[in-house]
Amino acid sequence: DIPMTQSPVSLSASAGDRVTISCRAPHILNGRLAWYQHKSGEPPKLLIYSASSLRSGVPSRFSGSGSGTDYNLTINGLQPEDVATYFCQKYNVGPMTFGQGTKVDLK
Amino acid sequence: EVQLLESGGGFVQPGESVTLSCVGSGFIYSNFAMSWVRQAPGKGLEWISSVSGSGGSTYYVDSMKARFTISRNNSANTVFLQLDTLTAEDTATYYCARVAGRRVFYALDVWGRGTSLTVAS
Repeated sequence: DIPMTQSPVSLSASAGDRVTISCRAPHILNGRLAWYQHKSGEPPKLLIYSASSLRSGVPSRFSGSGSGTDYNLTINGLQPEDVATYFCQKYNVGPMTFGQGTKVDLK
Repeated sequence: EVQLLESGGGFVQPGESVTLSCVGSGFIYSNFAMSWVRQAPGKGLEWISSVSGSGGSTYYVDSMKARFTISRNNSANTVFLQLDTLTAEDTATYYCARVAGRRVFYALDVWGRGTSLTVAS
């Protein structure tokens, strides 16, 4: 299984900053990519599906973009409650591989 | 409220087997494919397996296909994951998750809180 390449591994930003996380797939996904937020002690939470569709109830500061093999998750205006690890996941075909994760902290 | 609740984790010895269970509520269970995902200590998320809504189709990551078996009982709103010949590398929190929509491969929109499995002698 060829892994999903997610970057950076970690980042530290100030409240209000714009944060972008990238994910590169080993092959074209045709937009079949999801983003999850995972806080310690909680189950992962779906944020974005189909590369850019915001799940109902997720704050609009989260957005997804990209196509082909390259995708991004952007947080416009980082909030303290956004401190978490973020994962991308491909689901065009099995296996539904996750990226390695990006840990987001506040400065 | 849509919920998933895993059980069956605990402490087991290397070489043993265990079956994890995940009961769903608040939705028509047979309409959704279900998946298992694990997270080893200090590691990322790892997709293990998915099963179609009917249970007729199953899919696995290659590295676990030989030792893990997914199944479901829609009458009991439950999906199972049987893990055989366990090793210390199987120590992890195991999550079950609902596959959004009717496809087997799709985003995972509802997650249980996980069940912790420790394999040690």
